[in-house]
Parts: sequence; C-alpha cells; structure tokens
Amino acid sequence: EADIYQTPRYLVIGTGKKITLECSQTMGHDKMYWYQQDPGMELHLIHYSYGVNSTEKGDLSSESTVSRIRTEHFPLTLESARPSHTSQYLCASSDSPGHPGVLGYTFGSGTRLTVV
Amino acid sequence: AQSVAQPEDQVNVAEGNPLTVKCTYSVSGNPYLFWYVQYPNRGLQFLLKYITGDNLVKGSYGFEAEFNKSQTSFHLKKPSALVSDSALYFCAVRDMRGGYQKVTFGTGTKLQVIP
Repeated sequence: EADIYQTPRYLVIGTGKKITLECSQTMGHDKMYWYQQDPGMELHLIHYSYGVNSTEKGDLSSESTVSRIRTEHFPLTLESARPSHTSQYLCASSDSPGHPGVLGYTFGSGTRLTVV
Repeated sequence: AQSVAQPEDQVNVAEGNPLTVKCTYSVSGNPYLFWYVQYPNRGLQFLLKYITGDNLVKGSYGFEAEFNKSQTSFHLKKPSALVSDSALYFCAVRDMRGGYQKVTFGTGTKLQVIP
C-alpha cells in the first residue's frame, strides 16, 4: 500500500547535536512538504519541493535544511539542535496539478522532536 | 469521528465585495478550528484558528472567521475581496480532547475574485 513514512516517531536529543528527520513516500509524488506543528496545532510550512533538486523555503522561518536527491526521499536536517526546535514535524506529499486540493495530500505520521 | 464539510466547490465574488467561504464541522468534544489557504504550486498556509474565547477570530490578510457553536459552523469572511485572494481555501478541525490527533481537512473551496 502506497504511503508516506517518517522516522523516527519520537526523538529526544541534546542541544548542539545534528539530527536528520527522514521522510519517504512510495507514491511517486512530485511535490513534498515539511510542516511544523506547534502546540496550537496549526501547521506552518517550512520547506517544500517540486521535484528532484528543487527545494524552497516556506512561510515559517526555520534553521533547518532539506534536500531532494531522489523523488521518494525528502530529509530535513538540523545542524545544531536547540530547545527552540522542540516541536512536531510533519512531512507530506501531493500529486502534480490536476489534484491541487488537500485530498491530494498524504501526510506522514509525524516526528515529535524534543531538544533538551 | 470528526469531519469537516465545505459545501461549495467554488465561490465567485467581485473585487471589493464581501466574501464568505462556508465550513461546518462535527466533533465529539470541543473543537479546534482552522482555516488554511493554498496558492498555486504552494503548500498550505495558515490563516487563522479558533481555540476558545471570542467567537470572531481575526487572521492574516484581513480575513476573519466566526465560530458558531449552535450551528457548528466556522465560516471564513473578508469585508472587501482582492483579486490576490483568489486561491484554494481549506477548513480543518481537531477534537480538543485527548492526545495528538491528525487534523481533519475539508475538501477545499476555490475562491475566484473577479476584477
């Protein structure tokens, strides 16, 4: 069954450590996204990609970086984690135009990151 | 189970006129309610939310939404539409109880502002 996978589900890490949150999808979607979900539960777009070698920053400023070397893989990296990075991170993918609605979105189950 | 309904696939409004995008919801407990906008080739962008308190919530770009508990509605409004408001709008809901749950999105309403 096609799906989108995020690992790890939970991560507790010390300040200053480098971390990479993994996101992979098996649907062949061109577009992938990273959202940060704060305690108020709304989503804020931090990165998106239209395809291989394409990455753009989203609406919420983030110290993280992303890469898109393969269609199915969209990892997010924090070079030096800080307590302010503590949050829920959601990965998503969607079809190309023709299915622009949220129903075309598939969300991963999220990574809950705690930086101590 | 929680659900969201956006009864209109598309709303057309003339520039300068007030606009309303409708949303009704269903949850077991008290709701968190959200509106998002999606411009072409972009991800979802947060507009506003209702958690508790004043039923009229003000958000980005002059948008506001009114929470009506008796009608289980959370309609998005703007007093004067701009052509640049043309986009896809999504209502979303989450039950306030319990731990982390995925937010449930509506199917979206395409807003077309006519010059």
